[in-house]
Amino acid sequence: SQQGEEDPQALSIQEGENATMNCSYKTSINNLQWYRQNSGRGLVHLILIRSNEREKHSGRLRVTLDTSKKSSSLLITASRAADTASYFCASSGGLGETSGSRLTFGEGTQLTVNP
Amino acid sequence: DTGVSQNPRHKITKRGQNVTFRCDPISEHNRLYWYRQTLGQGPEFLTYFQNEAQLEKSRLLSDRFSAERPKGSFSTLEIQRTEQGDSAMYLCASSLLATWGIDTQYFGPGTRLTVL
Repeated sequence: SQQGEEDPQALSIQEGENATMNCSYKTSINNLQWYRQNSGRGLVHLILIRSNEREKHSGRLRVTLDTSKKSSSLLITASRAADTASYFCASSGGLGETSGSRLTFGEGTQLTVNP
Repeated sequence: DTGVSQNPRHKITKRGQNVTFRCDPISEHNRLYWYRQTLGQGPEFLTYFQNEAQLEKSRLLSDRFSAERPKGSFSTLEIQRTEQGDSAMYLCASSLLATWGIDTQYFGPGTRLTVL
């Protein structure tokens, strides 16, 4: 079963607006990553935030992490129609080499940006 | 193209048949992961390799599933006696474990399996 939960499950906005997606997780983490997936395709890595970081930026993306609340948010500013996709958060425990870095994904947010 | 590749991209099979998928990771990556994704859900971890050693398997990986990475490069995932519940997208990812313990996983396009 998925450990992560994402909110909202679906989001529809107009081009130029900002989109905010939230993610919660259940166990302690080493890092949290956000991925994007276009329909029927593989996942594209967007951004990684470590457990000792609170905020990170990459282009139009801003990610926050609150380890006390076990939650993260992804903000996409000035959205474009091409941003239409599913967005997933994925947490990693990374407690040592033998435990690996398996990613535990949320159920995703389907973002639709209308032109 | 130097990304992760997977073959075939689509596979349709009849229940009870065996299927095998292949994943070619990014060349210098030492870790390789398999995930399964069903419609409307996030990917779920199946197993991973560090070089040729299979270090972790999920409880999702029943006895009908087997994965190999014989020379620490490409990997195969075989499903024996397929069932309709095996229908899903099978995703492969690779990464380079850094000395500080964080590795970013890069995903392939996936193999979509349909079991009739």
